[in-house]
Amino acid sequence: RKEVEQDPGPFNVPEGATVAFNCTYSNSASQSFFWYRQDCRKEPKLLMSVYSSGNEDGRFTAQLNRASQYISLLIRDSKLSDSATYLCVLSDDYGQNFVFGPGTRLSVLP
Amino acid sequence: DGGITQSPKYLFRKEGQNVTLSCEQNLNHDAMYWYRQDPGQGLRLIYYSQIVNDFQKGDIAEGYSVSREKKESFPLTVTSAQKNPTAFYLCASSTDSGSAETQYFGPGTRLLVL
Repeated sequence: RKEVEQDPGPFNVPEGATVAFNCTYSNSASQSFFWYRQDCRKEPKLLMSVYSSGNEDGRFTAQLNRASQYISLLIRDSKLSDSATYLCVLSDDYGQNFVFGPGTRLSVLP
Repeated sequence: DGGITQSPKYLFRKEGQNVTLSCEQNLNHDAMYWYRQDPGQGLRLIYYSQIVNDFQKGDIAEGYSVSREKKESFPLTVTSAQKNPTAFYLCASSTDSGSAETQYFGPGTRLLVL
């Protein structure tokens, strides 16, 4: 089993749609969780950290379920500019080992 | 402006040649990392360094070497032993290895083999 798995994608959705991505992880010792977005041929950029209580940033909501070892990202009212690959990222307690998922590509269509 | 810079943006390597990718940061971050990304794939860790003059192998260190003589700089050398070097190379840094801070990435270097 891969350490981090994500929805294979791609997701093609119309503007204004709500879309959800899932990510599962195998290492129960993982302590910190993040969502990054990566535009085509660019570097990944932090979208948001994911906290146990769940957190929201505008149209984006992240959830963490430690018992089931998955995290999710919900995008509401999607915009054309949301088109990117979304990477699920974990790190251990010491912040020394960051593990990246393969990413899920999203295309928001006009 | 604070940030991470990588150079060059594109690099061409001939067979049997060693090439060095530059990574510099002025964020005063302790930890620095090198990743490799192949098309349609996630990032894989090559090397990381938590402090000056110390570095550790990642998952795919074979055929690569690094140095960390200065806090600001973490160059990566792709040696001739790396048989499939064509990829997108990303350098990252983070503030404190003990606090699981997020990583910030440079713009990347695309390495192509001639």
